[in-house]
Amino acid sequence: EVQLVESGGGLVHPGGSLRLSCAASGFTFSTHTMYWVRQAPGRGLEYVSAIGTNEGSTYYANSVKGRFTISRDNSKNTLSLEMGSLRPEDTAVYYCARGDCSSSTCYAHFDYWGQGTLVTVSS
Amino acid sequence: EIVLTQSPATLSLSPGERATLSCRASQSVSSYLAWYKQKPGQAPRLLIYDASNRATGVPARFSGSGSGTDFTLTISSLEPEDFAVYYCQQRSNWPLTFGGGTKVEIK
Repeated sequence: EVQLVESGGGLVHPGGSLRLSCAASGFTFSTHTMYWVRQAPGRGLEYVSAIGTNEGSTYYANSVKGRFTISRDNSKNTLSLEMGSLRPEDTAVYYCARGDCSSSTCYAHFDYWGQGTLVTVSS
Repeated sequence: EIVLTQSPATLSLSPGERATLSCRASQSVSSYLAWYKQKPGQAPRLLIYDASNRATGVPARFSGSGSGTDFTLTISSLEPEDFAVYYCQQRSNWPLTFGGGTKVEIK
């Protein structure tokens, strides 16, 4: 069974930093593009960042570029998001999501999601 | 950035009725559009990908259609568990974008 379990959320002051993690199991982690998607309270979904099957390919939404860094450890089946210079508008539930891949081709829609971890940026 | 506009914002229907949800893109996304369902307090769930392909385990009452800029998600006969918020998402261009959602509520 595919499982994605996020951790690391919490309350942080504006300008602070936080590191989110996503532990993956039940599939071959190294063969899937992985994503972070967030949802502000009462709002819709927003793509944050993506990372290819190796760490060479990373992508960011303009709203987080230069402040967030996505990474992965294929030996530990773990996805991470290092968040810096946090702002109140970064307050959201952050979801880890798996890209849909088959026959070595990956598509940028999300076939499995974690339950999310809440990040609150407030003084 | 491609903007996805979903309509209506809220759809009030009774169980057994047919639901028709719309997603319009600001420019062509070919067939690279997905639909998700989200219930309160839960993560989204993939329903449809590439406009018309049902994801694994999705009931046949869900169907998707469209290409280019206009897309439709149809639920042929609403079950109690279908009352939720539905989002569309395009993968044609980076950054990936989502629509604002349509809430399907019980009338």
